[in-house]
Amino acid sequence: DAKTTQPTSMDCAEGRAANLPCNHSTISGNEYVYWYRQIHSQGPQYIIHGLKNNETNEMASLIITEDRKSSTLILPHATLRDTAVYYCSAKYSGAGSYQLTFGKGTKLSVIP
Amino acid sequence: NAGVMQNPRHLVRRRGQEARLRCSPMKGHSHVYWYRQLPEEGLKFMVYLQKENIIDESGMPKERFSAEFPKEGPSILRIQQVVRGDSAAYFCASSPGSGPESSYEQYFGPGTRLTVT
Repeated sequence: DAKTTQPTSMDCAEGRAANLPCNHSTISGNEYVYWYRQIHSQGPQYIIHGLKNNETNEMASLIITEDRKSSTLILPHATLRDTAVYYCSAKYSGAGSYQLTFGKGTKLSVIP
Repeated sequence: NAGVMQNPRHLVRRRGQEARLRCSPMKGHSHVYWYRQLPEEGLKFMVYLQKENIIDESGMPKERFSAEFPKEGPSILRIQQVVRGDSAAYFCASSPGSGPESSYEQYFGPGTRLTVT
């Protein structure tokens, strides 16, 4: 799995968009970018994943640069409940890819 | 439809005692994964089980740790002769399958926080 780098922490005003960056400069062609989050004292929660194209679901949008060396998770209208640690992971999606591994992630604080 | 259930939520053990952590997967899920999260660190994979089978235990310490997922009942993560370094949050996840979607269709329980005194 490719190494990922994220800022340690970020603040975002409630109601504004939260843009969380992730660098994965060594990502290979068959590795997907995954995002999970962990709200305090809870288990991780899947958010979104993508390969090349930008992706959007009911929770967030994922923007992947053309060279795939970095990506940004966008929470369009952050709420206080979005305060959590956000993990970016680059990994192969296929047989045996169930081993989720996260680093320290970005601690997002949504401020009223 | 209940989610993944883990108990106990908090467990305190003295050094040398045994810890048993239980996980009941979501209804319809037959694949269970155990992870450990040390304080201020990320998540680390430990073991992947299906009913009555250990599929991958590559992340499990070689000694004192064992896991099972019997035909009936919850999955159990067992830690014998606990030491202070075992203090961590242990999360269980379940998925409906083991295909490519297992990378993102893992649903996590609330975790068991083990404290070894």
